[in-house]
Amino acid sequence: GDSVTQMEGPVTLSEEAFLTINCTYTATGYPSLFWYVQYPGEGLQLLLKATKADDKGSNKGFEATYRKETTSFHLEKGSVQVSDSAVYFCALVQADTGRRALTFGSGTRLQVQP
Amino acid sequence: EPEVTQTPSHQVTQMGQEVILRCVPISNHLYFYWYRQILGQKVEFLVSFYNNEISEKSEIFDDQFSVERPDGSNFTLKIRSTKLEDSAMYFCASRSTAGGQQFFGPGTRLTVL
Repeated sequence: GDSVTQMEGPVTLSEEAFLTINCTYTATGYPSLFWYVQYPGEGLQLLLKATKADDKGSNKGFEATYRKETTSFHLEKGSVQVSDSAVYFCALVQADTGRRALTFGSGTRLQVQP
Repeated sequence: EPEVTQTPSHQVTQMGQEVILRCVPISNHLYFYWYRQILGQKVEFLVSFYNNEISEKSEIFDDQFSVERPDGSNFTLKIRSTKLEDSAMYFCASRSTAGGQQFFGPGTRLTVL
């Protein structure tokens, strides 16, 4: 079945550092890929998405590129802020099967220190 | 901005007891979901619900689980006889259209003692 693997956390960075959170997936067909973020005490929020190979999703300075050849969707940000501290989840959905339930990775906690 | 809400935020129960987790989806949404996350593990799909019936469920969603939309606003998950391994964070989500974004609630942390 489909699966998503993320790097384990926590990831601890200083403010303005470069961020990469790795995500790889296993899926049949052509899934859509997502990054969700969960701030403390809140629900999962969609951060960005990409629906086909070589698409780049971006939002709030975060970017991720759908790489079909490496089955990856790594999350990057050039300069993190303390307010970016949260748990980040990579996810996929099979866009062409009608099954719209998301398959998630285990989440990566990011801690940004001032 | 409309949001999905869940109550309670934390539920503690004894093994074998019934629990009902409640969700209020965004008002014009038509598709509803429950997911759960056992501490330190992946977020896992449990069940999806559309047009007053279950449209899909995972292998986790056995006979101990049921879902209901008792009125026009609430969407509930019932666990009939809780087990220790049901301890997890339970997330509700909703979306408006077949291809639309899923909006998640803040979760209910269930602790079974």
